[in-house]
Amino acid sequence: KQEVTQIPAALSVPEGENLVLNCSFTDSAIYNLQWFRQDPGKGLTSLLLIQSSQREQTSGRLNASLDKSSGRSTLYIAASQPGDSATYLCAAPNAGGTSYGKLTFGQGTILTVHP
Amino acid sequence: GAGVSQSPSNKVTEKGKDVELRCDPISGHTALYWYRQSLGQGLEFLIYFQGNSAPDKSGLPSDRFSAERTGGSVSTLTIQRTQQEDSAVYLCASSLKYGNTEAFFGQGTRLTVV
Repeated sequence: KQEVTQIPAALSVPEGENLVLNCSFTDSAIYNLQWFRQDPGKGLTSLLLIQSSQREQTSGRLNASLDKSSGRSTLYIAASQPGDSATYLCAAPNAGGTSYGKLTFGQGTILTVHP
Repeated sequence: GAGVSQSPSNKVTEKGKDVELRCDPISGHTALYWYRQSLGQGLEFLIYFQGNSAPDKSGLPSDRFSAERTGGSVSTLTIQRTQQEDSAVYLCASSLKYGNTEAFFGQGTRLTVV
């Protein structure tokens, strides 16, 4: 059974700082890992998807890395802005078994970027 | 459609009533997920449809909850005899094929049981 853990649970930083959010998963036989953003009262917005064959994926100020062997992924946010304040979630699919493909989510990291 | 669509966006119901929540996935997406998010909590898996395979219902919290997916497209989550603890945001997501592609979420249905 896939289990996903995110650290830290909450993070508060001043504007302009570079920061790293961590995600670990127990079943390393995954096909991809996805990072999402959730604003209060909203649904989830996909940020980045890293395929298992990739080591990292970049979109603007966001960079996500994946190390399957250690069961870890990190989301790096450069030059943080107040608009980045949100909950960030990572999700990994089951790689096999009866629930092949089912997404398992971490509990999320609540990020606050203050001016 | 352009994205995953859920309806209604908000639903207030009296305790004991039945409710139906609808999800229209992105056209052509074969995988569909339902999750529940209670206030201040993480995402709780409910049910997962993958193509024509039997759905994974392992997350449904009680037999008052059921879901179906007709014609491999639209899905309906039904909650019978609603209880106050059912109050939450119900989120639906779809992906092109199970396991290996990006999942897209709808905006959710906020259910309030009074």
